[in-house]
Amino acid sequence: RKEVEQDPGPFNVPEGATVAFNCTYSNSASQSFFWYRQDCRKEPKLLMSVYSSGNEDGRFTAQLNRASQYISLLIRDSKLSDSATYLCVVKRTGGFKTIFGAGTRLFVKA
Amino acid sequence: DTAVSQTPKYLVTQMGNDKSIKCEQNLGHDTMYWYKQDSKKFLKIMFSYNNKELIINETVPNRFSPKSPDKAHLNLHINSLELGDSAVYFCASSQLYGGTNEKLFFGSGTQLSVL
Repeated sequence: RKEVEQDPGPFNVPEGATVAFNCTYSNSASQSFFWYRQDCRKEPKLLMSVYSSGNEDGRFTAQLNRASQYISLLIRDSKLSDSATYLCVVKRTGGFKTIFGAGTRLFVKA
Repeated sequence: DTAVSQTPKYLVTQMGNDKSIKCEQNLGHDTMYWYKQDSKKFLKIMFSYNNKELIINETVPNRFSPKSPDKAHLNLHINSLELGDSAVYFCASSQLYGGTNEKLFFGSGTQLSVL
């Protein structure tokens, strides 16, 4: 079983839709959580960190459920420019390793 | 100015050759990494250096040898290239090594194709 698992998708949604991605992690010693975005043939870039209390950045909302070892990302009012792969990222206590999920592909269509 | 730059962007070579990929960061970060992203887009850490000291060395064939001449540079040398080495290699850096809110900055990647 992979340490970080994501639904690979693809998710095909119309502009303006709300879409949610889920991610589960297996190592309970995981300490820090992030969502990165990767455009086709580009490098990954940090989208947002994920906090236990949940956090929001514009149209993006991230949630963490430590008991269920589950992370989510909600995108409201999808834009064409949101089309990308979204990577769930987990960092273990001690901070020596950052583990990337395989990513969820999103296509937003006009 | 590019924060994390790696060269070359594309590398096409024959099996059995030796090649190097260079990485430099101008962010003043203490920690640098090499990641490999295979055809299934899975991004996996290979090595990490903190202030020129090797911290992480994943289960990587010893044909791969990283070198960090200073904390701003981390190069990757690959000996006796094999078909399975074909992938995109990303260099990355971060500052808060061991910190809980460590943000990774990635280079634009090197597409390695072994023929």
